[in-house]
Amino acid sequence: EVQLVESGGGLVQPGRSLRLSCTASGFTFGDYAMSWVRQAPGKGLEWVGFIRSKAYGGTTEYAASVKGRFTISRDDSKSIAYLQMNSLKTEDTAVYYCTRDLGWELPGDFDYWGQGTLVTVSS
Amino acid sequence: QSALTQPASVSGSPGQSITISCTGTSSDVGSYNLVSWYQQHPGKAPKLMIYEGSKRPSGVSNRFSGSKSGNTASLTISGLQAEDEADYYCCSYAGSHVVFGGGTKLTVL
Repeated sequence: EVQLVESGGGLVQPGRSLRLSCTASGFTFGDYAMSWVRQAPGKGLEWVGFIRSKAYGGTTEYAASVKGRFTISRDDSKSIAYLQMNSLKTEDTAVYYCTRDLGWELPGDFDYWGQGTLVTVSS
Repeated sequence: QSALTQPASVSGSPGQSITISCTGTSSDVGSYNLVSWYQQHPGKAPKLMIYEGSKRPSGVSNRFSGSKSGNTASLTISGLQAEDEADYYCCSYAGSHVVFGGGTKLTVL
């Protein structure tokens, strides 16, 4: 059974950093691209970014709203994807979902989702 | 990176069919066959219902179908059931990034 479990969320002050982890199981993690999607309280879904598998270069893509502040990485030996969030803003407050992406090179088909972890940016 | 346009709400009676539209541009929906649809019940994570425009993942009812014409994608749910009441989001690859629609609340009357 495919499972994605996010961790690392919490309350953080504006301007500070936070790292989220997504621990995967039930599939060969290294074979898949992974994406992060967020949802602000009471709002819709927003794509954050994507990391390709090593077979496709392990390269990343980001939404304009987080580019230069957020970094996605992966450790295939541990089946973990990371979302490093720097220079956090109040508008980054959201539930952050880790997703498995069906697209090898192009993101956008998220077939499995974690339960989400809440990040609250507030002073 | 503008959001795709969806109606805020749609409704239908049990057994009826409804269609949710998702309008983008020639830079996203119109250019790629990478439109997906997600169902989200309150307090739950989204669930993939349709991918690559019209493909259904294993386990998703064949009452759900997807299509695309030009810059507009559509999700049709036939034989509406009470458990279909949820928020639905469309999503499209848009050339180095991904864009979601604002979401549609489906009410089963």
